[in-house]
This record gives sequence, structure tokens and C-alpha cells, in this order.
Amino acid sequence: GEDVEQSLFLSVREGDSSVINCTYTDSSSTYLYWYKQEPGAGLQLLTYIFSNMDMKQDQRLTVLLNKKDKHLSLRIADTQTGDSAIYFCAESIPGGGNKLTFGTGTQLKVEL
Amino acid sequence: NAGVTQTPKFQVLKTGQSMTLQCAQDMNHNSMYWYRQDPGMGLRLIYYSASEGTTDKGEVPNGYNVSRLNKREFSLRLESAAPSQTSVYFCASRGRQEYGYTFGSGTRLTVV
Repeated sequence: GEDVEQSLFLSVREGDSSVINCTYTDSSSTYLYWYKQEPGAGLQLLTYIFSNMDMKQDQRLTVLLNKKDKHLSLRIADTQTGDSAIYFCAESIPGGGNKLTFGTGTQLKVEL
Repeated sequence: NAGVTQTPKFQVLKTGQSMTLQCAQDMNHNSMYWYRQDPGMGLRLIYYSASEGTTDKGEVPNGYNVSRLNKREFSLRLESAAPSQTSVYFCASRGRQEYGYTFGSGTRLTVV
């Protein structure tokens, strides 16, 4: 199957860390991605991780990948109001038109 | 600026009308995609074109047709619009695997 699952909402206080979780089902995924969508805009690539990696850090963003459990997470350190957006995880499966399969998105709300 | 350009940004159609959504990319990407985004349902693939000269159905192709006019352009046509096609439509293209998709800014379509 190609279902990618995410929780729908997350609320955090400014300055705290946010952790957004994603579960994917296809063990043959090569790359996994996190996208950010601000209101009224398209999706913007935040970061990606190759399937043979466990962790990737990029400034305030940390991606953790647990291949055994097919679990992907995005941690945002020192969350700011500008981080309020919808976050999508996506997986890339070899073959079949080079497609990505997206999760339903997690709405992150950052409160003062 | 390099990227994916979609036109129009907004459109209101009456039931039964037809229209074509335009998409062009200037990154020399081989693969292009059309998605629709509906609340709580994430992004669903309508059609894709793995390379110039080929098109394939995605998850929700009914009521749509596509044309890969050349390497740059990939259009989506609604022959007889229905209220169920009210949605936000995104075009995307893909080059190197690790960079995932580059998205356009979307077309907000309302069918009344």
C-alpha cells in the first residue's frame, strides 16, 4: 500500500520544540521529504532524508527516520510564529513515474 | 525566476463549462504532475507525465484530461466542470530525486 499517515493538528508555544510525526507503509521508499505550506501558497521543500540515513540536521530542523517502524519525524527547535503552517511528509517509491505520495498534512499552530 | 508557473490563480466556473489550467516549468525537468488539494485529504494525484510524450492516470483522473505539450508545458483540462471539482490544483515538476518536487503556487477553482 502507499498510505502515508500524519496527525491533523499540533499546537505549541513559541520557543518550544515541535515534533511532527509521519508513518509510511512502503519499505522500498528511497527518499522521504518534509514540505511546508503557508496559507494560500504552494508547497515548499523543507528538507529530505535518504532511506539509508537515520538522522539529518539542518539548522533548527532535525529529521529522524526509523526504517524498522516506517516512522519519520520532523523536529523544529525554538518554534516561531512564522513556523505556523501545514507540514506534509512524502515518500518517493522507485519506478512508476517518479511519483511522490503525500500524507494528509499536519496543521502546526504556534501560540504566543 | 526559475520555477513552476501556473495560470490562472483563481477561476470560477459554472457547472458544465470547460477550461484548461496551464503549467510551465523552466528547470528542464523530465517529470510533471497535477494534484488536487482538498481539506483533510492531503494531495491527490490526478495525472502525471514521466517524460515528454507520455502521460498516465493518477489516483483521481475521472473528469480530467491532460496534454504534455512539450518538455516545459503540462496542461490540465476539465471538459465539463462539476461542483465536486471545486478544489485547489497544484502543478509540480521533478528533476533530481533528492530534491523532490517543485510546486507551482496553485489555482483555486470554484465550480458553482
